[in-house]
Amino acid sequence: GQQLNQSPQSMFIQEGEDVSMNCTSSSIFNTWLWYKQEPGEGPVLLIALYKAGELTSNGRLTAQFGITRKDSFLNISASIPSDVGIYFCAGPKGGSEKLVFGKGTKLTVNP
Amino acid sequence: EAQVTQNPRYLITVTGKKLTVTCSQNMNHEYMSWYRQDPGLGLRQIYYSMNVEVTDKGDVPEGYKVSRKEKRNFPLILESPSPNQTSLYFCASSSWESSYNEQFFGPGTRLTVL
Repeated sequence: GQQLNQSPQSMFIQEGEDVSMNCTSSSIFNTWLWYKQEPGEGPVLLIALYKAGELTSNGRLTAQFGITRKDSFLNISASIPSDVGIYFCAGPKGGSEKLVFGKGTKLTVNP
Repeated sequence: EAQVTQNPRYLITVTGKKLTVTCSQNMNHEYMSWYRQDPGLGLRQIYYSMNVEVTDKGDVPEGYKVSRKEKRNFPLILESPSPNQTSLYFCASSSWESSYNEQFFGPGTRLTVL
């Protein structure tokens, strides 16, 4: 079935550094979503992408919908301690109403 | 405040004892869904509902039931829980306006089945 592969699985960075993570699939997606989950909480939507090549920002976060429709990227600039959490990519499976999620990138920011 | 609520937040039970986890949303969303989250496996969809009286299986529906009698509520039922259903469960909802993609998640229910 459709799977989303996220990398890296985890990142340990210093406060102030920029972060890049990505999500790839062997199948085409028409929508890419990026969620963040903080400890003890449910995932929260950060950015939604609906068009190939689209580049969207939300504060220090920027996400891109890959031209091939098989990948997406999330960048965080000038990281701060509250960026800690697990970042998930997601997309609708086979154009249906079902969402499939990647396994997440766990981000740790050292002050 | 727009939100998805789940109850209980924590539950410890024993094998075979029927339980229900409730989910309610106050955003008038048509779409509601249940996920389970397990270490190393990420979020997997159990069941979803496009609207009242319309439900469908996700990727891991075995051992679960759902119902959608009202638009705001979408309870998850475990008729005979087993230890492999120990997990963190999330309810989510979304609107047709976002093609059901932009889902709002509840705070989670941590279930332990002994």
